[in-house]
Amino acid sequence: GENVEQHPSTLSVQEGDSAVIKCTYSDSASNYFPWYKQELGKRPQLIIDIRSNVGEKKDQRIAVTLNKTAKHFSLHITETQPEDSAVYFCAATRGTGGFKTIFGAGTRLFVKA
Amino acid sequence: DTGVSQNPRHKITKRGQNVTFRCDPISEHNRLYWYRQTLGQGPEFLTYFQNEAQLEKSRLLSDRFSAERPKGSFSTLEIQRTEQGDSAMYLCASSFGQGANTGELFFGEGSRLTVL
Repeated sequence: GENVEQHPSTLSVQEGDSAVIKCTYSDSASNYFPWYKQELGKRPQLIIDIRSNVGEKKDQRIAVTLNKTAKHFSLHITETQPEDSAVYFCAATRGTGGFKTIFGAGTRLFVKA
Repeated sequence: DTGVSQNPRHKITKRGQNVTFRCDPISEHNRLYWYRQTLGQGPEFLTYFQNEAQLEKSRLLSDRFSAERPKGSFSTLEIQRTEQGDSAMYLCASSFGQGANTGELFFGEGSRLTVL
């Protein structure tokens, strides 16, 4: 069945350092890979996404890479700030045979000032 | 249209009772999803609709759960004979998708269920 694994479950970094979160997916029909940020008590919100025809995408301090062959994708946050502290979820969406989005278990990021 | 809205926001019920949650998606969105989220976990897929058609339902979902989207607009999620294990946040999300392309999921604030 479909599965998205996410590591690490908790990540603590010093302000200004980089943070990397890694995910793997099992469904080879997945073609869209969004990342969501969820602050305490709030709804998940999209921060960046990547489609399967692209290997890398960057938006200011955030970048995502995708290795379709290995079924890996990663989130990179540079120059972390205390307001980056939140739970981050990776997800994979199937592009054929249905459009189900499966989420990883989440990474709780702490950015220490 | 201010986004996806869900109600009620909180529901406390006794074990064995039925509960129903409503989701109003962003009006131009054709896809609607229900997820369940427990503390410290990612959203767990329950079911999704494209327009009024329910296209997939999680194999983990028991027969006590049913969802509808009768006119392709709002959706309801009903849980019959609730159990304590049903306690969770129920999230609704909507998106606009064309063919194989899926757009961003826009989530509602969620409906928190507590089963006593």
